[in-house]
Amino acid sequence: NAGVTQTPKFQVLKTGQSMTLQCAQDMNHEYMSWYRQDPGMGLRLIHYSVGAGITDQGEVPNGYNVSRSTTEDFPLRLLSAAPSQTSVYFCASSQTGGQTQYFGPGTRLLVL
Amino acid sequence: KQEVTQIPAALSVPEGENLVLNCSFTDSAIYNLQWFRQDPGKGLTSLLLIQSSQREQTSGRLNASLDKSSGRSTLYIAASQPGDSATYLCAVKGGTNAGKSTFGDGTTLTVKP
Repeated sequence: NAGVTQTPKFQVLKTGQSMTLQCAQDMNHEYMSWYRQDPGMGLRLIHYSVGAGITDQGEVPNGYNVSRSTTEDFPLRLLSAAPSQTSVYFCASSQTGGQTQYFGPGTRLLVL
Repeated sequence: KQEVTQIPAALSVPEGENLVLNCSFTDSAIYNLQWFRQDPGKGLTSLLLIQSSQREQTSGRLNASLDKSSGRSTLYIAASQPGDSATYLCAVKGGTNAGKSTFGDGTTLTVKP
């Protein structure tokens, strides 16, 4: 199993550009989440999904969209990048809400 | 709103010492609590998961305890080694929504040879 994979590893954007961060898992997990990690602010939940076709907002959803058309994939879309979205983004998955979360290696995003 | 606090923010110990990391949370109606390790520039690795009905979990030199009523968890590391140097994070899943996790800011541990 590859586990949770994320692409790209690093990305530089200009303000106003859009992009999609990819996340995939091959463990047949129902739950998937996106977090951002900023110095001094820990990990904050952006969006999460409890199954294909079901998504919900986390703590900091503004400026981000998600969809979950398959169990395996959970892409995160930045609609119009802003410097405040400079961060490290992590995707995570778990079989159910009560089981261990597995994290991907992260995507470092720099918005100029 | 659930808030998770980890104290201390940083800890430096000599090799071989036993140590305790603390995690406290404000809402005791939790689903579970998970401890993670994060190495610099890397993702999070799960260490231990404690369900709300459990009191503790053990894995090798690690032991995590949970006291829901007081809103506390501790991670005990026995006989620390330089390879244990990392940031340790705890995450709490809310009791009413198993999809949402709230993380603490972490404790950065340095174990000196």
